[in-house]
Amino acid sequence: TQLLEQSPQFLSIQEGENLTVYCNSSSVFSSLQWYRQEPGEGPVLLVTVVTGGEVKKLKRLTFQFGDARKDSSLHITAAQPGDTGLYLCAAGTGTASKLTFGTGTRLQVTL
Amino acid sequence: SQTIHQWPATLVQPVGSPLSLECTVEGTSNPNLYWYRQAAGRGLQLLFYSVGIGQISSEVPQNLSASRPQDRQFILSSKKLLLSDSGFYLCAWSVRLGSPYNEQFFGPGTRLTVL
Repeated sequence: TQLLEQSPQFLSIQEGENLTVYCNSSSVFSSLQWYRQEPGEGPVLLVTVVTGGEVKKLKRLTFQFGDARKDSSLHITAAQPGDTGLYLCAAGTGTASKLTFGTGTRLQVTL
Repeated sequence: SQTIHQWPATLVQPVGSPLSLECTVEGTSNPNLYWYRQAAGRGLQLLFYSVGIGQISSEVPQNLSASRPQDRQFILSSKKLLLSDSGFYLCAWSVRLGSPYNEQFFGPGTRLTVL
C-alpha cells in the first residue's frame, strides 16, 4: 500500500505570511496532483506535476515535484483568508486512474 | 464543459435503514467513476471505482456496494446502514483514455449522518 504523508497536519497563520506544505512518500509516482477543499464541498484540482524537479506556479502558489518523484511541496506566498481550506496531495500509479490521497493539511489564514 | 452532480446533498438516516446515493456526470463519455468517503477534516478513502458499465472494483470490505447501470451514472448503496457509515461521500470522474495524469474531478458531496 502506497502512503502519502502530509505535513504539517494543521497550520494557522496570519494574512501575509508565507507557508510550505509537504507531501512525502517512499514510492515513486507517475504524477502528482494538489487539490484544495473548502468545508462542505468537493476537492478542486489545483495542479498536476509529472516530471521530476518540475516547478509550477499558480499566482501565489508554487508547486514542486521532487527529483525522484517521491515527494512534493506547495508554497504559498503572502497567504490570504481565501487560501483557507484543506490541501490534499494525490499521486497516480497509472492503474485505472486510481489516486492515492495524502493525509491532508488544514490551513487557516486569519486577518 | 463537464459537470458532476450528486444527490442528496445531506441525508440523515437511522441505523439499519437502506441507502442510495446517486452520482451523474455530464459532458463526457466513458469516464472512470469513483466513490470516496472522507472522515471529518481528513483525507479520502477510495471505496469503489468503475471503468465501464457494470464493472465495479471494491477497494475495502464494508457494508456498502456500488453499481453503474449507465455510462455516466454511479450509485452507492447499502441494505442496512451502520453508525460507522456516517461521513462525507464524494463521487469523482476521470478521463478513461488519453490522459496519463490520473486527474480526477469531484462532485459536491453528500453528508450522511447515521443515528
